[in-house]
Amino acid sequence: GAVVSQHPSRVICKSGTSVKIECRSLDFQATTMFWYRQFPKQSLMLMATSNEGSKATYEQGVEKDKFLINHASLTLSTLTVTSAHPEDSSFYICSARDIRQETQYFGPGTRLLVL
Amino acid sequence: AQSVTQLGSHVSVSEGALVLLRCNYSSSVPPYLFWYVQYPNQGLQLLLKYTSAATLVKGINGFEAEFKKSETSFHLTKPSAHMSDAAEYFCAVSDGKGAQKLVFGQGTRLTINP
Repeated sequence: GAVVSQHPSRVICKSGTSVKIECRSLDFQATTMFWYRQFPKQSLMLMATSNEGSKATYEQGVEKDKFLINHASLTLSTLTVTSAHPEDSSFYICSARDIRQETQYFGPGTRLLVL
Repeated sequence: AQSVTQLGSHVSVSEGALVLLRCNYSSSVPPYLFWYVQYPNQGLQLLLKYTSAATLVKGINGFEAEFKKSETSFHLTKPSAHMSDAAEYFCAVSDGKGAQKLVFGQGTRLTINP
């Protein structure tokens, strides 16, 4: 199956700093990638849809200035959590859409802890 | 708009027993349906998908699911549970347009008893 990587897998940062998370599709091109947030023992919440070469589309209630998304190439999307606060601590998961397979493939996730 | 309901947040079966995880969906258009599995502290792995072809879909690790339009269901089954099947399972629906936005169910935690 298609492979999607995420980096870093785990990050601890101080409150007020910014953190960048990378999502890469390793063996296919993805014009669309998605960013999810998952709280403990809960389902995935879609944060935004990342479109290569254009602005991301954010879900209602997600602050676009807080969660900056860049999709600069067909294999890379980045999520930057700006001025992170403890309430931003969560598990962030990206996915990449493989058009040929009509399927989203998920990365392994990034655990963010803001102190 | 699409929605997914997974009946039972926690299912427990004995090793070797039948696994049945229930998923009902709501969609105003012909849906694409997916089952994903998540192991602790990991991302989601695709188990199987329905994309308007055969209604009985076979996936990895011995899992299969049947699309029943009349019941708006897409239940996941496995004839014989293995200890390694213990995980969180998510059912998801998209609007059929090649897996754009996915709407996930609440998830079902599967526990396997030895």
